[in-house]
Amino acid sequence: DGGITQSPKYLFRKEGQNVTLSCEQNLNHDAMYWYRQDPGQGLRLIYYSQIVNDFQKGDIAEGYSVSREKKESFPLTVTSAQKNPTAFYLCASSITGAGWNEQFFGPGTRLTVL
Amino acid sequence: GENVEQHPSTLSVQEGDSAVIKCTYSDSASNYFPWYKQELGKRPQLIIDIRSNVGEKKDQRIAVTLNKTAKHFSLHITETQPEDSAVYFCAASKSDYKLSFGAGTTVTVRA
Repeated sequence: DGGITQSPKYLFRKEGQNVTLSCEQNLNHDAMYWYRQDPGQGLRLIYYSQIVNDFQKGDIAEGYSVSREKKESFPLTVTSAQKNPTAFYLCASSITGAGWNEQFFGPGTRLTVL
Repeated sequence: GENVEQHPSTLSVQEGDSAVIKCTYSDSASNYFPWYKQELGKRPQLIIDIRSNVGEKKDQRIAVTLNKTAKHFSLHITETQPEDSAVYFCAASKSDYKLSFGAGTTVTVRA
């Protein structure tokens, strides 16, 4: 299960606060992704990055922001503009951004807004 | 965009029986269809995938079939075992960056 890590495992946030979720990979993968997992809704893409210093919005990017300053790291910030941020967040990486490449997932961060 | 529907949402089978999960997709340009398994408390992991130039693929007790005309694909698990209990996600891609996931099927194997 090594290679892609997320921290923290659990995160609690007060309403109105921004919070940053960490995602690191040592697989030398070019592409990285952030998904949100809610019960009964599968995995929904928030942001993705095919290469360092480049990223694009996914299907549910509103209220989120990312950066990709290093190949190994793709942090996600959940801003106060995200109306319903309580969810399980999964980071993934793949060797390239081509859709047929296996995506390797991190262990996830469960965010709870109090 | 691509819309992937997955059925059933829950599936309970007796150990040793077979399990079948079905997915439909909307975009005829999709050409890659992976299946991910997520055990309780763990991360999703790829278990099998199929490309549009192949109709069926097998790996030990699991198999995936694809019907491009009808735009649906299925996961078949034979001789189910307790360790097959998990949430299974289908997905579809058009060879670009994006995987569109189904909502998931929770499979429970009864001893």
